[in-house]
Amino acid sequence: AQSVTQLDSHVSVSEGTPVLLRCNYSSSYSPSLFWYVQHPNKGLQLLLKYTSAATLVKGINGFEAEFKKSETSFHLTKPSAHMSDAAEYFCVVRSGDYSGGGADGLTFGKGTHLIIQP
Amino acid sequence: DSGVTQTPKHLITATGQRVTLRCSPRSGDLSVYWYQQSLDQGLQFLIQYYNGEERAKGNILERFSAQQFPDLHSELNLSSLELGDSALYFCASSVGGSRNQPQHFGDGTRLSIL
Repeated sequence: AQSVTQLDSHVSVSEGTPVLLRCNYSSSYSPSLFWYVQHPNKGLQLLLKYTSAATLVKGINGFEAEFKKSETSFHLTKPSAHMSDAAEYFCVVRSGDYSGGGADGLTFGKGTHLIIQP
Repeated sequence: DSGVTQTPKHLITATGQRVTLRCSPRSGDLSVYWYQQSLDQGLQFLIQYYNGEERAKGNILERFSAQQFPDLHSELNLSSLELGDSALYFCASSVGGSRNQPQHFGDGTRLSIL
């Protein structure tokens, strides 16, 4: 079984200040972890993914995330927020040892709504 | 642009009716996934198809069914619709189905039940 907990439903930061969106996961197997962003009335866009290589993962638009196995965390950060970052962010886990076709869909967190103050 | 196309973008219908949502995956992707996004349940995985065959089921109701055709496009059929089925339905695709591969999402179909 796998689950994801996004610790904050809303995060508000000022433009130009750092962003931290927190995510904890649980997984029976070595997980793959993703962060997706959803802008209003749009589909989900992949920001970054962790797949058991480097623990610090760099994504698009200046975002990065660090996989910490001991803390079962995968927090998303950005050094300086931009107004265009305002959106809903989803932490996603996918586990399973199915190496072929893959038997599992993604398990999504509830989402964190990021608000950027001017 | 993710390369995943979903039609229609919006659908308004009444309780008891049946609708079909369509998804064209990215070129070369063999796996198609369906998700439901609602305010109370969040994003939930419904079902996965891989190269025409059902591969995994999530929280899909018996009133819902899906299939993937030889050209790899997929359809999600929702029948005996209820007010609670109002939601945003997403399709995603990936090259295969392995856990390391990210899924690419379409813009969704917004279903409103009156």
